[in-house]
Amino acid sequence: EVQLVESGGGLVQPGGSLRLSCAASGFTFSTSAMHWVRQPLGKGLEHVAAINYNGANTYYANSVKGRSIISRDNSRNTLYLQMGSLRVEDMAVYYCARFTGYSMDLWGQGTTVTVSS
Amino acid sequence: EIVMTQSPATLSVSPGERATLSCWASQSVSSKVAWYQQKPGQAPRLLIYGVSTRATGIPPRFSGSGSGTEFTLTISSLQSEDFAVYFCQHYSNWPFTFGPGTKVDI
Repeated sequence: EVQLVESGGGLVQPGGSLRLSCAASGFTFSTSAMHWVRQPLGKGLEHVAAINYNGANTYYANSVKGRSIISRDNSRNTLYLQMGSLRVEDMAVYYCARFTGYSMDLWGQGTTVTVSS
Repeated sequence: EIVMTQSPATLSVSPGERATLSCWASQSVSSKVAWYQQKPGQAPRLLIYGVSTRATGIPPRFSGSGSGTEFTLTISSLQSEDFAVYFCQHYSNWPFTFGPGTKVDI
């Protein structure tokens, strides 16, 4: 089955760190660009980070730049988002998505990050 | 950063009616626009890319149009399963920003 499964979310204190993972299956992960998109509860979608197929190129939204690192392990078919210095405004459902060059055609079910003391 | 705007914020329609959703970009994004549908508790689902190309499995009652800075998603005859929030997104350059969404409800 073609799917993405996120994990790693949870409760973290302000200033803390978290590593999100996204396990891919059913398609050729190593040739796919991958993105992270987040959605605060009841709000819209924010594109936070992207990585090309081999990890050579990465992009970050200003809101997470300098605090987050997107990476991938093509041997494990897994995408990561390492987040640090977490803030209340980082609280959201985090989705990983495959980008085809034309759209985000495959999304995971999301993992929830809660930032609270 | 390109800002995407959507109107209306909420669209109240009856099953069987036509729904027209609008999306504007703050600068030209050529034809690099996609539309997504999101239902409560679910991830977004791709409907349309390249302004007007339906994604796999999307019924023909969904259609997209526009170019440059103005785009439209039309649902020709609303079905019960179409009541959801719809987001437009550009992928012209980084970051690929989304519009705030239009909620289509009964």
